[in-house]
Amino acid sequence: SQQGEEDPQALSIQEGENATMNCSYKTSINNLQWYRQNSGRGLVHLILIRSNEREKHSGRLRVTLDTSKKSSSLLITASRAADTASYFCATVNTGTASKLTFGTGTRLQVTL
Amino acid sequence: DAGVTQSPTHLIKTRGQQVTLRCSPKSGHDTVSWYQQALGQGPQFIFQYYEEEERQRGNFPDRFSGHQFPNYSSELNVNALLLGDSALYLCASSQIAGAMKAFFGQGTRLTVV
Repeated sequence: SQQGEEDPQALSIQEGENATMNCSYKTSINNLQWYRQNSGRGLVHLILIRSNEREKHSGRLRVTLDTSKKSSSLLITASRAADTASYFCATVNTGTASKLTFGTGTRLQVTL
Repeated sequence: DAGVTQSPTHLIKTRGQQVTLRCSPKSGHDTVSWYQQALGQGPQFIFQYYEEEERQRGNFPDRFSGHQFPNYSSELNVNALLLGDSALYLCASSQIAGAMKAFFGQGTRLTVV
């Protein structure tokens, strides 16, 4: 079963704008990861944030984690058309080794 | 480095048939996990193999089975195929001692008719 929900389900923005996606989960986690998927093919790892971290940056990506609210957000700054894809959060839950539990995903469309 | 490779890329099978999907992990990785992704959904964990043994299993029936070989490559077998088994099957490799970051293959699109 899915771990939780992502919000919004779909997001359409113009190139240059920022995109924010939110993820909620249900259980205690070891870490939370964000992945990107183009056109229903393989997933690409974007960023990992551990349960004892609150914020992490990687290039144009900023991830926050609030374990008290069981939520995370992914911010993509200065979006490009090439960022068009589906984005998934995935948790590694406490006691489940490296098993990933995915959310439902956000479909991002970046237009010129 | 070839990354994670899966074969075949597409497959069409008839209800009741059996299918085998294959995965070669990224060089240096010792753990292989399989996921099923239905259209419009997030991937769901099927099972994980390490040292040729199944370490963890998701909520999938026994019709789904797997194997890991000494070279760390893996197979996913599905027996008695149902229409609902139509999905993208993803293989992910990682290092058991690593930071739990997974590398995914491009997937096998299985269609059951």
